[in-house]
Amino acid sequence: DIQMTQSPSSLSASVGDRVTITCRASQGISNYLAWYQQKPGKVPKLLIYAASTLQSGVPSRFSGSGSGTDFTLTISSLQPEDVATYYCQKYNSALFTFGPGTKVDIK
Amino acid sequence: EVQLVESGGGLVKPGGSLRLSCAASGFTFSSYSMNWVRQAPGKGLEWVSSISSSSSYIYYADSVKGRFTISRDNAKNSLYLQMNSLRAEDTAVYYCARVNWNYGYAGYWGQGTLVTVSS
Repeated sequence: DIQMTQSPSSLSASVGDRVTITCRASQGISNYLAWYQQKPGKVPKLLIYAASTLQSGVPSRFSGSGSGTDFTLTISSLQPEDVATYYCQKYNSALFTFGPGTKVDIK
Repeated sequence: EVQLVESGGGLVKPGGSLRLSCAASGFTFSSYSMNWVRQAPGKGLEWVSSISSSSSYIYYADSVKGRFTISRDNAKNSLYLQMNSLRAEDTAVYYCARVNWNYGYAGYWGQGTLVTVSS
């Protein structure tokens, strides 16, 4: 099975900072990767799919890139409402696997 | 508006069974694949099972294979998860989610239902 890793596991940044989260697959998955945001006590929300396509309604400060095994989620200017845990999720051979998550908070 | 409403969670003893339901509305349910995803208290997201729009394709995580059964009733716009031989490690909030089968992303999620396995 393909395993997903994320780094860092947590980070603390200032409002306005550029934040980058990395997700790595143990084997190539083309661009079959999605990113989700889960705020404390809330339901996960889709941010990006197909590695780089922004879901409708998601602020443009969020962006995704990558293909194959290495992917990134970037928040161009961190806002207080972005405090959340971010998960990547791969899809291949009809199997869905989530990364362990990256917790983002405000310094 | 897309709505997914889970029900059926509760407290069950180890070895027991529970059936979760997910009522869908606001979209053509029979056109979409569906997933169950769970989240243990304080832990990350774990994919549990998937079912294609016509039930032709069904997949399970290794952790639940042989114990859980996913099904759907397109006439009733409903998704189900039959959980047998429950273990303490199955304790989690269970979410149903609408899936884009081509790219495997879950665009809509329900609010979740809590399953607690404890004696």
